[in-house]
Amino acid sequence: KQEVTQIPAALSVPEGENLVLNCSFTDSAIYNLQWFRQDPGKGLTSLLLIQSSQREQTSGRLNASLDKSSGRSTLYIAASQPGDSATYLCAVSLWGGSEKLVFGKGTKLTVNP
Amino acid sequence: SAVISQKPSRDICQRGTSLTIQCQVDSQVTMMFWYRQQPGQSLTLIATANQGSEATYESGFVIDKFPISRPNLTFSTLTVSNMSPEDSSIYLCSVAATLGDIQYFGAGTRLSVL
Repeated sequence: KQEVTQIPAALSVPEGENLVLNCSFTDSAIYNLQWFRQDPGKGLTSLLLIQSSQREQTSGRLNASLDKSSGRSTLYIAASQPGDSATYLCAVSLWGGSEKLVFGKGTKLTVNP
Repeated sequence: SAVISQKPSRDICQRGTSLTIQCQVDSQVTMMFWYRQQPGQSLTLIATANQGSEATYESGFVIDKFPISRPNLTFSTLTVSNMSPEDSSIYLCSVAATLGDIQYFGAGTRLSVL
């Protein structure tokens, strides 16, 4: 059974700091991995999707890496801003084409002005 | 990207009643999913909504409790039946255009059962 773990559960940083969020999964047979942010009352917003054959994806100040063999992904946020405050969720899609996503519990990020 | 409208956004219901949640997408999509997020927990897939056939339920979820309809490629409903306080959660609809594509989520329905 695939399990996804995110560390830390919560993180508070001053504005401008670079930070890394961690995600680990127990079964390396994944189809892809997605990072989302969840804002209260606004559902989930997809940030980055990494296919199983890829090592990283970048979008603006965000960079996500994937090491499938070790079951790990990181989300790097450069020059953090108060608007980055949200819960960040990692989810893996299981191999076999079902598109089922298995989520971690998330990291709640607070960026202080 | 897909724009998803989910209704209602929140509701407070009495024990033993049922609530139907609607999910409308602005484009035709192959895949639609329903997730539950219990307080302090991760999102858990309830079922995959299949157009023209019965939904595919995950372990621990049954059709009698969570009947799902999907009459076309842009619309689905999830009913939470015979509710108890344990059903208090956020329910989210998501869609994907094709296999391996990004999943887009609705804003969710925050349900409280008294």
